[in-house]
Amino acid sequence: EAQVTQNPRYLITVTGKKLTVTCSQNMNHEYMSWYRQDPGLGLRQIYYSMNVEVTDKGDVPEGYKVSRKEKRNFPLILESPSPNQTSLYFCASSFQGAGGKNIQYFGAGTRLSVL
Amino acid sequence: GESVGLHLPTLSVQEGDNSIINCAYSNSASDYFIWYKQESGKGPQFIIDIRSNMDKRQGQRVTVLLNKTVKHLSLQIAATQPGDSAVYFCAEIPPLTDSWGKLQFGAGTQVVVTP
Repeated sequence: EAQVTQNPRYLITVTGKKLTVTCSQNMNHEYMSWYRQDPGLGLRQIYYSMNVEVTDKGDVPEGYKVSRKEKRNFPLILESPSPNQTSLYFCASSFQGAGGKNIQYFGAGTRLSVL
Repeated sequence: GESVGLHLPTLSVQEGDNSIINCAYSNSASDYFIWYKQESGKGPQFIIDIRSNMDKRQGQRVTVLLNKTVKHLSLQIAATQPGDSAVYFCAEIPPLTDSWGKLQFGAGTQVVVTP
């Protein structure tokens, strides 16, 4: 089954304690992305990756890091989490279709609370 | 700045009626638009897409209309069912000359289907 898998689904942590949210896709997609979703703000892109070892900042990259060492994995790293990073996080993957067609497939989400 | 937004935050629809969800975009150069559906506790799910050289596209029970003159996008759901209750997002992709795959999402519209 084609899917994007995020772990963990729920996480409660404290300020300053480094954490990693993993994301894996089994569709051999080149493109992967991380979003955060906050009430009234919709989905905002944090980082994206066009392919292995190619990453770039999205709209809200501050406080986050990513890596793309393998095509299937795209972990999101919070080196020193702060309460304003409490949010619902989504990983997505896609392939580049003809004419810029880009249907992104989303994971089920990770709800993070930073105390 | 450029943005994608929705006119109504909440739409209440009686079961069996048609739903119309509206979206305004301001980047006249965007050439690809997508509608996503997000059910409670799940990630966004692709519904339908449309390219800027089209005015209308139909799927199963859904129709997307694009009015480039007034930069307006709408999603019509025919014979709305309880399973259509969700948050609906429109998203645009800037021109290919910009960062490929960089989706910009609207804030979302909550659709509530009543019996």
